[in-house]
Amino acid sequence: DQQVKQNSPSLSVQEGRISILNCDYTNSMFDYFLWYKKYPAEGPTFLISISSIKDKNEDGRFTVFLNKSAKHLSLHIVPSQPGDSAVYFCAARRIQGAQKLVFGQGTRLTINP
Amino acid sequence: GAGVSQSPSNKVTEKGKDVELRCDPISGHTALYWYRQSLGQGLEFLIYFQGNSAPDKSGLPSDRFSAERTGGSVSTLTIQRTQQEDSAVYLCASSLGLAGGQEQFFGPGTRLTVL
Repeated sequence: DQQVKQNSPSLSVQEGRISILNCDYTNSMFDYFLWYKKYPAEGPTFLISISSIKDKNEDGRFTVFLNKSAKHLSLHIVPSQPGDSAVYFCAARRIQGAQKLVFGQGTRLTINP
Repeated sequence: GAGVSQSPSNKVTEKGKDVELRCDPISGHTALYWYRQSLGQGLEFLIYFQGNSAPDKSGLPSDRFSAERTGGSVSTLTIQRTQQEDSAVYLCASSLGLAGGQEQFFGPGTRLTVL
């Protein structure tokens, strides 16, 4: 039962353009969402998060949008830079109760010069 | 260092052997988590420790898997009688837990290969 899904295993974007990574979830009890970035041979690093009481959170070049009715969130990176090339994981959890994160399968983003 | 550390970074073992994986969380973090990432998959929750509370073991795939956290700090994940399907990257994370923010900080992982 895949509660968090990232349907695009890979994405290629030209440097300077916008990268949009998508994530869907099925569990309506999730109320906190996070994006992590992972380089090879390293652990995931936290990028940005959003609570279900918001529909947008922005941090520099990174913006996360949440559409609760569609159970969909997206991460926008603009402008994209070569250093953004990595695997991006979407994760979800409930603020109350279970502390575990439920992760999507990841999307490999490649930024082309 | 100030981050989460894990050892060993790589472990190759033969089917049927036991392995122990170690995690040193960030000092002061009361919550500690184990996840694993199999090839081409997302991270899968295994177990969660919060302070002195009973751990949440709901993600452990079988009774061959166990974990302990001594003194509220270092944790060891033990896999008994390893099988080839146990091959994965095992990731440890820590956080401020119930007293703090939601962000979990991850270690670099231990890559386990069962031959």
